[in-house]
Amino acid sequence: ELKVEQNPLFLSMQEGKNYTIYCNYSTTSDRLYWYRQDPGKSLESLFVLLSNGAVKQEGRLMASLDTKARLSTLHITAAVHDLSATYFCAVDRGSGSRLTFGEGTQLTVNP
Amino acid sequence: GAGVSQSPSNKVTEKGKDVELRCDPISGHTALYWYRQSLGQGLEFLIYFQGNSAPDKSGLPSDRFSAERTGGSVSTLTIQRTQQEDSAVYLCASTPNPVGPYEQYFGPGTRLTVT
Repeated sequence: ELKVEQNPLFLSMQEGKNYTIYCNYSTTSDRLYWYRQDPGKSLESLFVLLSNGAVKQEGRLMASLDTKARLSTLHITAAVHDLSATYFCAVDRGSGSRLTFGEGTQLTVNP
Repeated sequence: GAGVSQSPSNKVTEKGKDVELRCDPISGHTALYWYRQSLGQGLEFLIYFQGNSAPDKSGLPSDRFSAERTGGSVSTLTIQRTQQEDSAVYLCASTPNPVGPYEQYFGPGTRLTVT
């Protein structure tokens, strides 16, 4: 059974600081996704990582994938309040397969 | 363009009643997924459609849950004899086709409350 674990589950940080969210998964997969969810809203796709060593950046967020370690990271640079949300990583096993989600990391950025 | 739409946005029902939840995927998307999100269980997969067929329905939690898709477009998730543990947000997602990889595009969800 594919399992996906995130840490931390809760993260409170100050504006301007850097931090990293970690996503570990239990079985081989080359496809990892990061989503953002604002309170009461649906899931918004942030990044799709498709190969070992993949790195993608958008604004203050950068995601990377190490398939050998079965690890993805979401790095936040110089956090701002607008980044406050819950971030989910998810893994699938190939075309047409379900997404298995991590528990989510609830990020709060304080002024 | 239009995204995935779901209706109703909120549904309150009494225990034991049946409910139907509707999903309209993005036009042209052949793959459609149902998930549910609850406090205790996180985000759980329910069922996957490719066209009108469901190659993977292994996530449906009991035989009270069923889903269909007609015309390769709209899907309906039906929950019979609802129980309080069915309370959750039901999310629908679609992708252009299953041979991707494509990220799944999610709808706004239906919040189901069983009283």
